Amino acid sequence: GAGVSQTPSNKVTEKGKYVELRCDPISGHTALYWYRQSLGQGPEFLIYFQGTGAADDSGLPNDRFFAVRPEGSVSTLKIQRTERGDSAVYLCASSLSWSTGTDTQYFGPGTRLTVL
Amino acid sequence: SQQGEEDPQALSIQEGENATMNCSYKTSINNLQWYRQNSGRGLVHLILIRSNEREKHSGRLRVTLDTSKKSSSLLITASRAADTASYFCATDDRKSHGSRLTFGEGTQLTVNP
Repeated sequence: GAGVSQTPSNKVTEKGKYVELRCDPISGHTALYWYRQSLGQGPEFLIYFQGTGAADDSGLPNDRFFAVRPEGSVSTLKIQRTERGDSAVYLCASSLSWSTGTDTQYFGPGTRLTVL
Repeated sequence: SQQGEEDPQALSIQEGENATMNCSYKTSINNLQWYRQNSGRGLVHLILIRSNEREKHSGRLRVTLDTSKKSSSLLITASRAADTASYFCATDDRKSHGSRLTFGEGTQLTVNP
């Protein structure tokens, strides 16, 4: 089956604008994760969903960031009033479940966000 | 500082040589995973080793885990130019809910033909 897909692959926006980044997880995966990766760094956790609910959003940097997963499948990461410091690659991952702590997370190709 | 620190930050070897990358972490973990990343985009899962395992093999990859030293190593044998990539270790913190991963900053491996 298809892997995790993310759209768009690249997004260029202006400071202060609103952006939405979309993630389609692997079919049947109940857990979905968002990470952010700055140049030369490893990915940093933002938020994860168990089904439709955000089980842990402690990685979101501030209230400009919000994510939803209304039907337990596709997720959208929303960033309001973008700042230049938000520029990064936003990675989405999904796994079969979350409870055991042993399920592999499969990553999408990422969305490269550039805020001018 | 971030959990999952890789060592070295950069490694350059000749094709056919072995490459060893190390990772250290700070907290108790459920498992440790190694990922590969080309050109700063999607991560490819390589191998997962559970906290009760000491060594695991997958093709040319060998991973060890020493929970007493909170460290892991990834060995790539008989390296190829196509192995050139960044390699990250990621830990699943036992204290966290679910399976959020904490990544290190990665090792940039260059395999010269």
